[in-house]
Amino acid sequence: SAVISQKPSRDICQRGTSLTIQCQVDSQVTMMFWYRQQPGQSLTLIATANQGSEATYESGFVIDKFPISRPNLTFSTLTVSNMSPEDSSIYLCSVRIYNEQFFGPGTRLTVL
Amino acid sequence: AQRVTQPEKLLSVFKGAPVELKCNYSYSGSPELFWYVQYSRQRLQLLLRHISRESIKGFTADLNKGETSFHLKKPFAQEEDSAMYYCALSHTGFQKLVFGTGTRLLVSP
Repeated sequence: SAVISQKPSRDICQRGTSLTIQCQVDSQVTMMFWYRQQPGQSLTLIATANQGSEATYESGFVIDKFPISRPNLTFSTLTVSNMSPEDSSIYLCSVRIYNEQFFGPGTRLTVL
Repeated sequence: AQRVTQPEKLLSVFKGAPVELKCNYSYSGSPELFWYVQYSRQRLQLLLRHISRESIKGFTADLNKGETSFHLKKPFAQEEDSAMYYCALSHTGFQKLVFGTGTRLLVSP
């Protein structure tokens, strides 16, 4: 199994600012995944964070808006840049170990 | 394109009643199908996956390739089953998941 922690657990931010979300895993994993869950909607994959290379972004998500760092095998950050109210969501970090996907507790972001 | 459809946003049943949460998918290859559950104030967690063919907490799900469905069933619902249920798909061997929109199950006493 894997234990995943995220910081912050929640935040309220002003339009135009940026927020960096941290994800820490208690195991070394090759890939870490960042998902977004907008209010009343399902989880959507933003990007896959690979250690030692650039993140791979899904359609509709770009590096300038959601830069990702992956400095080692247990840690990743997602930045939500130049935020607008439409970015208000829960952001989740996830890893897959032995064919099971584990999720972090999420970061609830509200943009005013 | 990969797509997962859960037609019901809310399913409300009484304790002891049978439950079926529907999931249909569209995918051209051989997918892996999963059910995830999120109980109140807890994180999302895996309930079961089609390749395991197991029963977890009384729930089962059978992959029907002809109907492209992976419905979740339980013969007798319990109050503690009340939660949000998500059906998800991934390409065999790949790691990213495509989620359905979720179904909230409410089991009343």
